[in-house]
Amino acid sequence: DVKVTQSSRYLVKRTGEKVFLECVQDMDHENMFWYRQDPGLGLRLIYFSYDVKMKEKGDIPEGYSVSREKKERFSLILESASTNQTSMYLCASSSPAGSGMRGYTFGSGTRLTVV
Amino acid sequence: SQQGEEDPQALSIQEGENATMNCSYKTSINNLQWYRQNSGRGLVHLILIRSNEREKHSGRLRVTLDTSKKSSSLLITASRAADTASYFCATQPMDSNYQLIWGAGTKLIIKP
Repeated sequence: DVKVTQSSRYLVKRTGEKVFLECVQDMDHENMFWYRQDPGLGLRLIYFSYDVKMKEKGDIPEGYSVSREKKERFSLILESASTNQTSMYLCASSSPAGSGMRGYTFGSGTRLTVV
Repeated sequence: SQQGEEDPQALSIQEGENATMNCSYKTSINNLQWYRQNSGRGLVHLILIRSNEREKHSGRLRVTLDTSKKSSSLLITASRAADTASYFCATQPMDSNYQLIWGAGTKLIIKP
């Protein structure tokens, strides 16, 4: 069964910490995405990548960075965690052709709490 | 960015009834997709309809697309308790191979 795996389901971090959220997919997808999901605000795109070492800012990149050194792995980095980054973080992947046929495949999400 | 609007925001029906959710969007699209999200989990892709299609079926799901009105509907027939979830529509804009634009979702509750 094809998968997108996020390294943690729940994470609690302190304000000011550097936080790494890892996402790995086994479908050889070119495209990978990081979203955050907050009640009443829906899914908001943070960053996406359409190839190794390529990255594009989404709608809310401030306070975040990403890394894609290998095709299968897309990491989201919170440089200095703040309480307003408490959220559900969702990773997704797709292929350029597949996104028009099979949509995105999502991970199970990481619920991050910053205290 | 969000271009999709879904209504209703919440829907509560009895098990066995049909559930209809609607989605409207703003720009020209390649396709429109529906996803389900169970509480606290990731999203699961349900069905995709291309801009040149008007209706599509998958099991108990029926999706319609009206590009002239920039709207879509998702019908779940003979609902079950396991259908309780949030449902999101997402559109792939005509000028994008990568991104989806998301609606805010409809929360569906099926009462036993």
